[in-house]
Amino acid sequence: DIQMTQSPSSVSASVGDRVTITCRASQGISSWLAWYQQKPGKAPKLLIYAASSLQSGVPSRFSGSGSGTDFTLTISSLQPEDFATYYCQQANSFPLFGPGTKVDIK
Amino acid sequence: QLQLQESGPGLVKPSETLSLTCTVSGGSISSSSYYWGWIRQPPGKGLEWIGSIYYSGSTYYNPSLKSRVTISVDTSKNQFSLKLSSVTAADTAVYYCARNGAPRYYGSGSYIYWGQGTLVTVSS
Repeated sequence: DIQMTQSPSSVSASVGDRVTITCRASQGISSWLAWYQQKPGKAPKLLIYAASSLQSGVPSRFSGSGSGTDFTLTISSLQPEDFATYYCQQANSFPLFGPGTKVDIK
Repeated sequence: QLQLQESGPGLVKPSETLSLTCTVSGGSISSSSYYWGWIRQPPGKGLEWIGSIYYSGSTYYNPSLKSRVTISVDTSKNQFSLKLSSVTAADTAVYYCARNGAPRYYGSGSYIYWGQGTLVTVSS
């Protein structure tokens, strides 16, 4: 079974900072990787699909990259509404989630 | 706009079967090649994919839950359902239903549409 890991598990950042989150798959998954944002008490929101495609309506400060086993989510300039938990997901076969990365205020 | 709504008991006794239904509105559950999934989140923890059903009826389950999970679809009611047997306190979670984008671009995951989630507590 493919396992998903994320690093860091949490990051403290300030408004305007550039934030990078890494996701690693235990086996190659081509570009079948999605990123989600989740705020407390809310359902997750899809940000990125196919590793680097921005979901409709998502601000362009979010970007994704990578293929194979190593992937990155970047927030170019952190905004107040971006403080949340971020999950990666293998988007094919068994779409398992990574453990999450919490982005909180520094 | 597609909308999904979970429904079912909020309290289930240990060893019993958890049953939830997801009602889909704003689109037909059988009209196109999408995956309809169930995801859960224990309090204070991360997301866990439970399984999904393709519009054709094919099912896919998380290997860690496979022996206890059944997902089915009722096209006449535009609903799909989750049954999880032999529950324990570890199955206490918010349960979400969701649908992906066009698999050609989004794969079988990449859930665009989500229900609001329903908390199921396993307790005697």
